[in-house]
Amino acid sequence: DVKVTQSSRYLVKRTGEKVFLECVQDMDHENMFWYRQDPGLGLRLIYFSYDVKMKEKGDIPEGYSVSREKKERFSLILESASTNQTSMYLCASSLPAGEGNQPQHFGDGTRLSIL
Amino acid sequence: AQSVAQPEDQVNVAEGNPLTVKCTYSVSGNPYLFWYVQYPNRGLQFLLKYITGDNLVKGSYGFEAEFNKSQTSFHLKKPSALVSDSALYFCAVRGTGGFKTIFGAGTRLFVKA
Repeated sequence: DVKVTQSSRYLVKRTGEKVFLECVQDMDHENMFWYRQDPGLGLRLIYFSYDVKMKEKGDIPEGYSVSREKKERFSLILESASTNQTSMYLCASSLPAGEGNQPQHFGDGTRLSIL
Repeated sequence: AQSVAQPEDQVNVAEGNPLTVKCTYSVSGNPYLFWYVQYPNRGLQFLLKYITGDNLVKGSYGFEAEFNKSQTSFHLKKPSALVSDSALYFCAVRGTGGFKTIFGAGTRLFVKA
């Protein structure tokens, strides 16, 4: 079974801090994704990566950056945390879209509170 | 542009009764459609997908979904609901050749004993 591990389940930070959310997958997947989940809005894509050192903006990249130095690890960075970034953050991985259109595999999420 | 609509915020059903969670979509070209389930304090789990072929797709935990091209719908169904099916359900779509998967807002399913 694919395992996607997010380093923290709950995190509390202060406004203006630089925040790092880490995600590791163990199935050698090329694609990795960061979403935020807010009630009534579903999942919104922040960034995704289809290869090491490659990244693409999603629908809501403002205030975030990402890093993918190794295939198994995809980090989300909040450059200067603000209260409107309080949310549930979900990491996911998948095989490339052309390979049978496999589904995404999700971590258990990080519930981030910015005070 | 791709979009997914889940018209019901919440669905209530009695245990043992059939359940339906609705989903409609809009995408260029042929759609790839997915259903995921989320239990409290957990990430999303894959239930089933439609790529091509039979319009009735069978998935995990006794769930199935019916693809209807003319109505651009992909409704999730189960013949007999269980209390343990209570969770948040997400429909998702990806267009042919696309990277991005678009998720619906989610439908909360309550199954009453």
